[in-house]
Amino acid sequence: GQNIDQPTEMTATEGAIVQINCTYQTSGFNGLFWYQQHAGEAPTFLSYNVLDGLEEKGRFSSFLSRSKGYSYLLLKELQMKDSASYLCAVRDSNYQLIWGAGTKLIIKP
Amino acid sequence: ETGVTQTPRHLVMGMTNKKSLKCEQHLGHNAMYWYKQSAKKPLELMFVYSLEERVENNSVPSRFSPECPNSSHLFLHLHTLQPEDSALYLCASSQDRLFGTYGYTFGSGTRLTVV
Repeated sequence: GQNIDQPTEMTATEGAIVQINCTYQTSGFNGLFWYQQHAGEAPTFLSYNVLDGLEEKGRFSSFLSRSKGYSYLLLKELQMKDSASYLCAVRDSNYQLIWGAGTKLIIKP
Repeated sequence: ETGVTQTPRHLVMGMTNKKSLKCEQHLGHNAMYWYKQSAKKPLELMFVYSLEERVENNSVPSRFSPECPNSSHLFLHLHTLQPEDSALYLCASSQDRLFGTYGYTFGSGTRLTVV
């Protein structure tokens, strides 16, 4: 079966750095997405990786290793507004999106 | 108004009621989706419409009935629901079913409670 694993919850301190991991086992691979979802709001697109390596976008970076079935989302200079759930999703060989259950990130002052 | 709009934001209904969820997108996208989001579970794809044609129905119970009258509007008709159907129902759209490098644009969802 297809599976995406990510931690259920993480806690970090304002101003610090946090890394949210995502591992996947899917039928083929056509890209990996990260979304941010604040409580009661729509998930919003953060990043897309299809080749190995690091993609940097401001305070957020996303890394992919296809051989290891592994990705992480790195958040720097954490702000209180970064408290949200972070969803990892992989597009498989049939162009279906396989979703993880999300990681709830709690930022403390 | 831009983006994907869902109404109502909150809905409480009895098990014998009939109600409908509405989704509207103003992005010129050709594919629209219904997802169910339950606490601590992955998003569950329910229905996919591409160019107003239903192209996917992931073993969803018949008490959920989708309708796509045009490429901008999507409905989910609900009847005789069960308490376990209580969840956040998300609508999403994408340029096409291959959804490029930006994935979906989601609406804010309808929080449904079945009593």
